[in-house]
Amino acid sequence: QQQVKQSPQSLIVQKGGIPIINCAYENTAFDYFPWYQQFPGKGPALLIAIRPDVSEKKEGRFTISFNKSAKQFSLHIMDSQPGDSATYFCAARDSNYQLIWGAGTKLIIKP
Amino acid sequence: KAGVTQTPRYLIKTRGQQVTLSCSPISGHRSVSWYQQTPGQGLQFLFEYFSETQRNKGNFPGRFSGRQFSNSRSEMNVSTLELGDSALYLCASSLDDNTDTQYFGPGTRLTVL
Repeated sequence: QQQVKQSPQSLIVQKGGIPIINCAYENTAFDYFPWYQQFPGKGPALLIAIRPDVSEKKEGRFTISFNKSAKQFSLHIMDSQPGDSATYFCAARDSNYQLIWGAGTKLIIKP
Repeated sequence: KAGVTQTPRYLIKTRGQQVTLSCSPISGHRSVSWYQQTPGQGLQFLFEYFSETQRNKGNFPGRFSGRQFSNSRSEMNVSTLELGDSALYLCASSLDDNTDTQYFGPGTRLTVL
């Protein structure tokens, strides 16, 4: 119940395309769903986050879609650029304020 | 403000040894969390400290321990190192124990030979 399942494990998209990364969870007590971006040699950095009372959130080219009934959320990157190539992690916060992490998606944007 | 700093950045140890890693949070942040990151496994939560008290603990053996000092700096210790302990160890700080955003350091890359 504490798991967050993330897919795909890796993704290659042409520049300008829209990569989509999906996450699913079981625990309905999760109350906060962030996405983190990690570049090689760096720690993860918060990209965008959503709460379960909202179905969509946009920040620049990044959009989170949230489906509470299906217990799924996804990250969309509009007009993707080679500089977006990184590993992306979804996470969910439990009632102890602990983040439960997905396994990560390695995204490559081809020029 | 300076970000989260971790020392050392790289470490090579042999099986059976012990190691201590250090983390300095962002100034004013009182919560520090530690994670182990291995390829394909994502981030595995080790423990969280807030105001010098361990608040949460992940599912790791007792060889993994930590502490937090009065200035919020934190250390984690791994005793009797095993090959499987080779990983990137990440420290994250946040303002307090229920703040949304965690700010990560660059990590310490530990290799156990």
